[in-house]
Amino acid sequence: ETGVTQTPRHLVMGMTNKKSLKCEQHLGHNAMYWYKQSAKKPLELMFVYSLEERVENNSVPSRFSPECPNSSHLFLHLHTLQPEDSALYLCASSREGHSGNTIYFGEGSWLTVV
Amino acid sequence: AQTVTQSQPEMSVQEAETVTLSCTYDTSENNYYLFWYKQPPSRQMILVIRQEAYKQQNATENRFSVNFQKAAKSFSLKISDSQLGDTAMYFCAFMRGETSGSRLTFGEGTQLTVNP
Repeated sequence: ETGVTQTPRHLVMGMTNKKSLKCEQHLGHNAMYWYKQSAKKPLELMFVYSLEERVENNSVPSRFSPECPNSSHLFLHLHTLQPEDSALYLCASSREGHSGNTIYFGEGSWLTVV
Repeated sequence: AQTVTQSQPEMSVQEAETVTLSCTYDTSENNYYLFWYKQPPSRQMILVIRQEAYKQQNATENRFSVNFQKAAKSFSLKISDSQLGDTAMYFCAFMRGETSGSRLTFGEGTQLTVNP
């Protein structure tokens, strides 16, 4: 238990569906992240929220839409995905304001697009 | 841009023995941090150890230690007295020394198998 909880753990969706991944952190952190982990590829940073403001969007397609309503919750809204979007999506959090803060990860949400 | 390279896709070790995982990185930064994370079959990404670049002393956490060679931009992980539970994918990661929106750059990972 790292204090970062992701739901659902597994999700299967069709290409025309709309679904959301949820992340909640109980560590008192103020920055949250979405990473994508595909087979045979390094982890890719998708979005960064610091103090509830999006500070980075790494050229992620618009079919992925993040939302950070407060410092404890982060969502990833999914719409008209493609089969190549099937991957493990990892949420993470950290405390900003000091250099070199350790980032803590959730257990991930397995997404399969059919 | 920073890059992190792990040149060993797979490694194996016998239980109770010692194994070293390699990592090299490329950066023009002087202030940065390095991490090793492990990802067991559960896929939970777990922090193993971290190193501040400004510290010459190598970090140690119980059976895990690093050999940090700043000039060579090398950051290897040594696991002593390997245990079956150490079987996992190990990722080396780099973070710039910023105070906002910390970003990790990961290597490709090394799959470590500990054999009984």
